[in-house]
Amino acid sequence: KQEVTQIPAALSVPEGENLVLNCSFTDSAIYNLQWFRQDPGKGLTSLLLIQSSQREQTSGRLNASLDKSSGRSTLYIAASQPGDSATYLCAVLPSGTYKYIFGTGTRLKVLA
Amino acid sequence: EPEVTQTPSHQVTQMGQEVILRCVPISNHLYFYWYRQILGQKVEFLVSFYNNEISEKSEIFDDQFSVERPDGSNFTLKIRSTKLEDSAMYFCASSGTPSGGDYGYTFGSGTRLTVV
Repeated sequence: KQEVTQIPAALSVPEGENLVLNCSFTDSAIYNLQWFRQDPGKGLTSLLLIQSSQREQTSGRLNASLDKSSGRSTLYIAASQPGDSATYLCAVLPSGTYKYIFGTGTRLKVLA
Repeated sequence: EPEVTQTPSHQVTQMGQEVILRCVPISNHLYFYWYRQILGQKVEFLVSFYNNEISEKSEIFDDQFSVERPDGSNFTLKIRSTKLEDSAMYFCASSGTPSGGDYGYTFGSGTRLTVV
């Protein structure tokens, strides 16, 4: 059974820092992995999608990597800003099924 | 950019009442999903729907739940007799292919259901 874990659960950093959020999953047989942002009480905004055949994806200050064999993905945020404060969720789509399995998220606070 | 639209954004209902949560998926998408997130917990899958049929459902999706695509644009989730434990944020999502293709799944902004 696929399980997704995110570390750390919470992170507080000063503005301008580069930071790394981690996601690990137990079964490497996946179609893809998606990173989302969730503001308090709000919906899920897709940040990056990495297909199982890809190693990384970039969008602006965000870079996500995927190491399928070790069951790990990282989300790198460069030059963090207070507006980046949110919960970041990682979700994997296991092969053979079409239901995303979500992690518990990393709650990020960027201090001005 | 195309969006998945959910209404209402917040619904309060009495225990035992029926509720219908509504979603308008992206117009050229064919695959539709409902997920939910109980406060402080993980987002969890409820059901997937394609070609007017349920493709897959979780253990949570029991006989109290049903989904429907009543016309060409709406996708609804009905809870027949709500319980306190149904209080959660419900997310609708859609995709062009079952694995999401190049864009993954697009999620709506959610409906916060509060059962009192």
